[in-house]
Amino acid sequence: EPEVTQTPSHQVTQMGQEVILRCVPISNHLYFYWYRQILGQKVEFLVSFYNNEISEKSEIFDDQFSVERPDGSNFTLKIRSTKLEDSAMYFCASIAGRTEAFFGQGTRLTVV
Amino acid sequence: GESVGLHLPTLSVQEGDNSIINCAYSNSASDYFIWYKQESGKGPQFIIDIRSNMDKRQGQRVTVLLNKTVKHLSLQIAATQPGDSAVYFCAENNGNEKLTFGTGTRLTIIP
Repeated sequence: EPEVTQTPSHQVTQMGQEVILRCVPISNHLYFYWYRQILGQKVEFLVSFYNNEISEKSEIFDDQFSVERPDGSNFTLKIRSTKLEDSAMYFCASIAGRTEAFFGQGTRLTVV
Repeated sequence: GESVGLHLPTLSVQEGDNSIINCAYSNSASDYFIWYKQESGKGPQFIIDIRSNMDKRQGQRVTVLLNKTVKHLSLQIAATQPGDSAVYFCAENNGNEKLTFGTGTRLTIIP
């Protein structure tokens, strides 16, 4: 069964450092997403990506965040200068169309 | 504004009993709804979906009910098992390809 894969599973970084979270979506999917989940809270939308550009982003997705699909398979989320409050689980998801989103297992980001 | 909320944050059910998890949504333009299950340390896992032209959909041991009049969604799990213990989220899509998640209900199955 196809799946969304994310690396690393856990990332620890110092405040102010840049991090890149990586995702490999399902190959024939067209829409890609990043979501964030702070411990014990709900899953929050960050950004959607379609046709090689951002289609929608939330208020959370400020200038410190960026996304890329550099090689047609990987989908990355970069946080330029991490803050303590960026500590969360980050989930990548992809969909083929108006169907359910398939989520990866997540990257736990810990900013110290 | 767009919001999806749940009536109860926690629910405990005896193993073998049926459980019902409820969800209210506020965006009347939403036309596609999904229930996800999230186990500890894992990503959301698709359970069942329903489109707004339906009011009921059944899967294996799960049933989703949609009441568009009161903007209410429910997930029924029949004959609950220990493996059903998880956090359950409803999510809505209003045509812009973005899923908006509710707060989540933690379901605990008591042996």
